[in-house]
Amino acid sequence: DAKTTQPTSMDCAEGRAANLPCNHSTISGNEYVYWYRQIHSQGPQYIIHGLKNNETNEMASLIITEDRKSSTLILPHATLRDTAVYYCIVRVAEDSNYQLIWGAGTKLIIKP
Amino acid sequence: NAGVTQTPKFQVLKTGQSMTLQCAQDMNHEYMSWYRQDPGMGLRLIHYSVGAGITDQGEVPNGYNVSRSTTEDFPLRLLSAAPSQTSVYFCASSYTLGAFSRKRNTDTQYFGPGTRLTVL
Repeated sequence: DAKTTQPTSMDCAEGRAANLPCNHSTISGNEYVYWYRQIHSQGPQYIIHGLKNNETNEMASLIITEDRKSSTLILPHATLRDTAVYYCIVRVAEDSNYQLIWGAGTKLIIKP
Repeated sequence: NAGVTQTPKFQVLKTGQSMTLQCAQDMNHEYMSWYRQDPGMGLRLIHYSVGAGITDQGEVPNGYNVSRSTTEDFPLRLLSAAPSQTSVYFCASSYTLGAFSRKRNTDTQYFGPGTRLTVL
C-alpha cells in the first residue's frame, strides 16, 4: 500500500472549517483514501473514505484531487471535541490480505 | 450493542510473565485484528483474523499469539513479556475484509477502548 504524508500538527479556531491535507503521491488506481481520528487515549474512529469522487457524510467532507495524489479532510465547523490526531490511510479495497499502514497522523488542536 | 470491548484497561507485568488480553465484539464481524500503539506513533498490526479458526500475522507478530475459536472473541497472548512490549493495545473488528462498499459499516474498522500495558 502507498504511504501518506501529513503535517505533524495544525491549529484551528473553534467554529471555523478545519482543512487537513494529506499527500499520497504513489497511490494506485485501486487504492482508497481513508480517514480515521483518535481522541486522546481512545481507540481510533472512522471518519470517511473515498476513491475518486469527493465524499461527504455527517462528520466531514473528503476532497480528492483529480490526479489522486493528495486529498483534504474538511471538518466544516470545528468544535473543541474535534481535537484529536487525524490519520490519512490508503489501502486496496479488494485485497484479501490488506493491512492498514498507519502513519503518525496530524495532531489537530481546536482553540476557543 | 456493546461494540468492541477489551479487558483489562490497564495491566502491569514483570519481565517474563505471560498474560492474555481479551477482545470481544457483538456485531457479528468476521474480521478482527490487534494493533499496538507506541507513544507518538501510529498503529502497527500484530495479528489479524478473517474468521473463526483463521488467523495470520501482521507487521509485528513476534512475541504474541492469537486464536479465534469463535466469531466473537479474539484474545491476544503475550508468552513472555518484555519491556519492549510496553504499549497501548487496540483490538478492532469489521464486518468484511476488503469488500468494496460505499457503506461505512462494512469494511470500516471499529476499535475497542484499548489496553495500556506496562512491562517492568
